[in-house]
Amino acid sequence: NAGVTQTPKFRVLKTGQSMTLLCAQDMNHEYMYWYRQDPGMGLRLIHYSVGEGTTAKGEVPDGYNVSRLKKQNFLLGLESAAPSQTSVYFCASSYRADRGEGAFFGQGTRLTVV
Amino acid sequence: SQQGEEDPQALSIQEGENATMNCSYKTSINNLQWYRQNSGRGLVHLILIRSNEREKHSGRLRVTLDTSKKSSSLLITASRAADTASYFCATDPNTGGFKTIFGAGTRLFVKA
Repeated sequence: NAGVTQTPKFRVLKTGQSMTLLCAQDMNHEYMYWYRQDPGMGLRLIHYSVGEGTTAKGEVPDGYNVSRLKKQNFLLGLESAAPSQTSVYFCASSYRADRGEGAFFGQGTRLTVV
Repeated sequence: SQQGEEDPQALSIQEGENATMNCSYKTSINNLQWYRQNSGRGLVHLILIRSNEREKHSGRLRVTLDTSKKSSSLLITASRAADTASYFCATDPNTGGFKTIFGAGTRLFVKA
C-alpha cells in the first residue's frame, strides 16, 4: 500500500517554464488536495477536488491549474513559473468529510524557480 | 487568512516532560485535526476530534476542544526526543465546503 505518491521530489525551473506535478493515491479516496508550504506560513490550499472530474479553487489558486481525470490522480500544473512559486508542494487525499478521518499526505515536491 | 492558528510558535522541553500546544480558529467547524511533520517530510495525521466531542485520547496524546472559545489543545505526555517535530492543527470549516485549513504550526523540540 503506497499511500500518496508525488513525483517529482525535486525540480528546478527557470522563470517562464512550465511543469506538471503528479499526485497518485491508492486508497480510493474521494478528495484530493494540493498545498504549498512556505517558511513560517504553514500550509496553504491551492486547489482541491471532491471527486473525479471536479476541481475547485483553494486559498491561493493564482498561477496554478489542476486536473482530476482519474479518481486516483490529481495533477498540478504551472503554466509559466515565477520565483514566487518557489515552495514545497504537498498533495493529500482523504475520504469524504463526514467519514471523520484525517488526510494522508505525500512526501512533498521541493520546487525552486530561478 | 488561515483558519487555524497554533500557540506557541516554538516550544523546547526536556524528555519526560509534558508538552501542550494550543490552536484557535475563527469559524464554526465540523471537526479539528492535529498533524505532525518531521523536518523535510510530509504531514502525518495524529488525531481528529469532532465538533460534538470535548476530549479525545490516543496513546500519549490528549486533545480537547472548546467550541465556545473556538480553541483546541494537544497534550503530549512523557515526551520523547522522537516527538521533536512541527505540529499543526487543521479545521474542516462548517461552511458547506470540504477544505481543510491549516495553521502555521508549533515547532516542538524535545531535549534528550
